[in-house]
Amino acid sequence: EVQLVESGGGLVQPGGSLRLSCAASGFTFTDHWIHWVRQAPGQGLVWVGRINTDGSRTSYADSVKGRFTISRDNAKKMLYLQMDSLRVEDTGVYYCARDPPMGRTRMDVWGRGTSVTVSS
Amino acid sequence: DIQLTQSPSSLSASVGDRVTITCRASETISLYLNWYQQKPGKAPKLLIYDASTLQSGVPSRFSGGGSGTDFTLTIHSLQPEDFATYYCQQSYHTPYTFGQGTKLEIK
Repeated sequence: EVQLVESGGGLVQPGGSLRLSCAASGFTFTDHWIHWVRQAPGQGLVWVGRINTDGSRTSYADSVKGRFTISRDNAKKMLYLQMDSLRVEDTGVYYCARDPPMGRTRMDVWGRGTSVTVSS
Repeated sequence: DIQLTQSPSSLSASVGDRVTITCRASETISLYLNWYQQKPGKAPKLLIYDASTLQSGVPSRFSGGGSGTDFTLTIHSLQPEDFATYYCQQSYHTPYTFGQGTKLEIK
């Protein structure tokens, strides 16, 4: 079964750090760019960033640039989101999502998400 | 950044109705527009990509159209499982922005 499973969410104080993980299975991980998307409580979807197949290229939303870092370990089929200098407005559910290897960007497989709460 | 504006923000309809949701981009994005469906507490699901291509496994009652700046998602003959929130997303360039969402509710 094609699957993405996020983990690592939790409660953290403003200014703190957290690392989210995304475990892939059931497909050739190295064929796919992977995205992170977040959703604040009761709000819409916001693209956070993406990483290419070998981890050499990343892109980020301006709201997280310089604070968040996406990386991957292809041998372990794992994706990571290192979140530093966290703010209250970073609170939400974080999803990892797969981008098919052909054609324009789209997210065809999503994880179930992991919840992050930034609060004092 | 490219802004996407969906209309309406919410919509009430009945089973069997045909509904259309519109997504307008702040600049031309050719055909690079995707549509997702999200149900409460669940991850989004890809419905349509490249404006009008139906994702594998998605029922044919869903269709997409448009190009440039104006796009539509149409659901022909609503089914009970279609009541959800729908989002458009542009894939023209980063940041890959989403519309604010359209909540489709049962009348």
